Amino acid sequence: EAQVTQNPRYLITVTGKKLTVTCSQNMNHEYMSWYRQDPGLGLRQIYYSMNVEVTDKGDVPEGYKVSRKEKRNFPLILESPSPNQTSLYFCASSLSGPAQPQHFGDGTRLSIL
Amino acid sequence: ELKVEQNPLFLSMQEGKNYTIYCNYSTTSDRLYWYRQDPGKSLESLFVLLSNGAVKQEGRLMASLDTKARLSTLHITAAVHDLSATYFCAVDLQTGANNLFFGTGTRLTVIP
Repeated sequence: EAQVTQNPRYLITVTGKKLTVTCSQNMNHEYMSWYRQDPGLGLRQIYYSMNVEVTDKGDVPEGYKVSRKEKRNFPLILESPSPNQTSLYFCASSLSGPAQPQHFGDGTRLSIL
Repeated sequence: ELKVEQNPLFLSMQEGKNYTIYCNYSTTSDRLYWYRQDPGKSLESLFVLLSNGAVKQEGRLMASLDTKARLSTLHITAAVHDLSATYFCAVDLQTGANNLFFGTGTRLTVIP
């Protein structure tokens, strides 16, 4: 089954404790992207990747890192999380870019205390 | 700064009625996308509009794009309860970048 898998689904942690949210897709997609969703703000793009070893900043990259060492994986790293990063995070992938339909993961709800 | 504005933000409509959701954006772009999100769920791609005058239809939903007016519409025909969801439009810049800017969403409730 074609899918985008995020882990964990829920995480409560404390300020400053490094964390990684994993994202994996099994569709051989080139494009992958991370978004955060906050009430009243819609979705905002954090980082995206056009292919292996190619990553670019989205609208709100501050405080986040990503890597794309393999085509299927695109982890989101919060080196020193802060409460303003409490949010619902979605990973998505598409064949070659946003002009192709994106497949979204189920989301990761992060709470930073 | 690119702005993407959706109207209305909340929409409550009766089954069987027609309505239109509007998406205005502030930059030159000929690529616009519509997504659906059910309550508590993830997002699903609905439409990809890649040129001025593009029109796509799926069931009771029809999306169109007017790049000159910087406007996209999502028209709902004879609404049914199953269409209750939040609908987002998103635009990407026409500069070769591949990042997306989303509207804040329109929460649609269809009342039986």
